[in-house]
Amino acid sequence: DGGITQSPKYLFRKEGQNVTLSCEQNLNHDAMYWYRQDPGQGLRLIYYSQIVNDFQKGDIAEGYSVSREKKESFPLTVTSAQKNPTAFYLCASYAKHTGELFFGEGSRLTVL
Amino acid sequence: EDKVVQSPLSLVVHEGDTVTLNCSYEVTNFRSLLWYKQEKKAPTFLFMLTSSGIEKKSGRLSSILDKKELFSILNITATQTGDSAIYLCAVSVGGILTGGGNKLTFGTGTQLKVEL
Repeated sequence: DGGITQSPKYLFRKEGQNVTLSCEQNLNHDAMYWYRQDPGQGLRLIYYSQIVNDFQKGDIAEGYSVSREKKESFPLTVTSAQKNPTAFYLCASYAKHTGELFFGEGSRLTVL
Repeated sequence: EDKVVQSPLSLVVHEGDTVTLNCSYEVTNFRSLLWYKQEKKAPTFLFMLTSSGIEKKSGRLSSILDKKELFSILNITATQTGDSAIYLCAVSVGGILTGGGNKLTFGTGTQLKVEL
């Protein structure tokens, strides 16, 4: 089945450690996105990529980094520079013909 | 900076009530407005609106866009407990590259709770 897979679903890390969240899609979509969701809030855009080897900062990119070496993959690294990394992270890809965003199941990161 | 504002932030209704959720936006190079429902984890797609005044309908849910006044509403009639969720509005603005997607900005969401 086509879809988006995020891993891990849950992750605990100590302060000062970098962590990388995986996002893989087999929908053949060009554009992919990373959002952060805090309790009781909407989704805030971290980074997005419209095509392989290209990506743009979203509204809250500080303390995060991404790469887009393959069409299927868009990993997000949460660096030690991110001041409040504990959050729910959602990856999505964009179906340009329908305009629909397809989401993964999310990764919940807790920094102790 | 692109801005999407949803209201109310939260709402509690009784089963059978009708609710109207609002989404207003201020963006450059508007392409479309999307509504999503989020129950536990991944948001699920409801509607995409690109043209003013054309209602989209799916069962008890319907939505309409007003591009002159820069807002959209999502209506849910005869609400059920299964409608309890966060409803998210997102606006897509024009992409720079062809073949790819656009920047999508989400509002804060409306938390709807439907009680018996």
